[in-house]
Amino acid sequence: EVQLVESGGDLVQPGGSLRLSCAASGLTFRNHWMTWVRQAPGKGLEWVANINQDGSIQHSVDSVKGRFTTSRDNAENSVFLQMTGLRAEDTAVYFCATSTTGTSAMDVWGHGTTVTVSS
Amino acid sequence: QSALTQPASVSGSPGQSITISCSGTSSDVGASNYVSWYQQHPGRAPKLLIYEVSDRPSGVSYRFSGSKSGNTAYLTISGLLAEDDADYYCYSYTTISVSTYVFGSGTKVTVL
Repeated sequence: EVQLVESGGDLVQPGGSLRLSCAASGLTFRNHWMTWVRQAPGKGLEWVANINQDGSIQHSVDSVKGRFTTSRDNAENSVFLQMTGLRAEDTAVYFCATSTTGTSAMDVWGHGTTVTVSS
Repeated sequence: QSALTQPASVSGSPGQSITISCSGTSSDVGASNYVSWYQQHPGRAPKLLIYEVSDRPSGVSYRFSGSKSGNTAYLTISGLLAEDDADYYCYSYTTISVSTYVFGSGTKVTVL
């Protein structure tokens, strides 16, 4: 069974930093793009960032550019989201997701990890 | 990167069919067939229903179907069941920024 498990969510003060992790199992991790999606409380889904199979290409939504960085460790089957300069509007559940269908659509999702930015 | 436009809510009675629209532009929905749809129940992760406009992953009910016309995509749910009561999001590749994606604003489906 393909599984993604996020961790690292926490309560952090504005301006602080946090590193989220997503551990994958049940798939050949190095073959898959990985994506981060977030959902603020009571709001919709927002695409945040993605990273290609070897980590050489990352893209992110404009609102996090320069603050969030995506990386991966294929030996550890993990992808990371390094978040700095956190703002109240970054408060959300953060999901990692991937596609096993060979398309851009994510069919495997983690359960999410909660980031709260508040003083 | 504004969210794609979906109706905030759609409702229907059990057994009926409903259609949810997802309105974008020639830079996203109209730019490619990389449009997908997700269902999300409260407190749960999203579930993929439709990919590449109209394809269904294995295990997804035939009651869910997708289509696209120009810059607008559609999700139709036929034979509404109580379990279809959930939030639905469209998702599209966008050419506004290289290799980025955007979700729709989300539609709450209520089964009356």
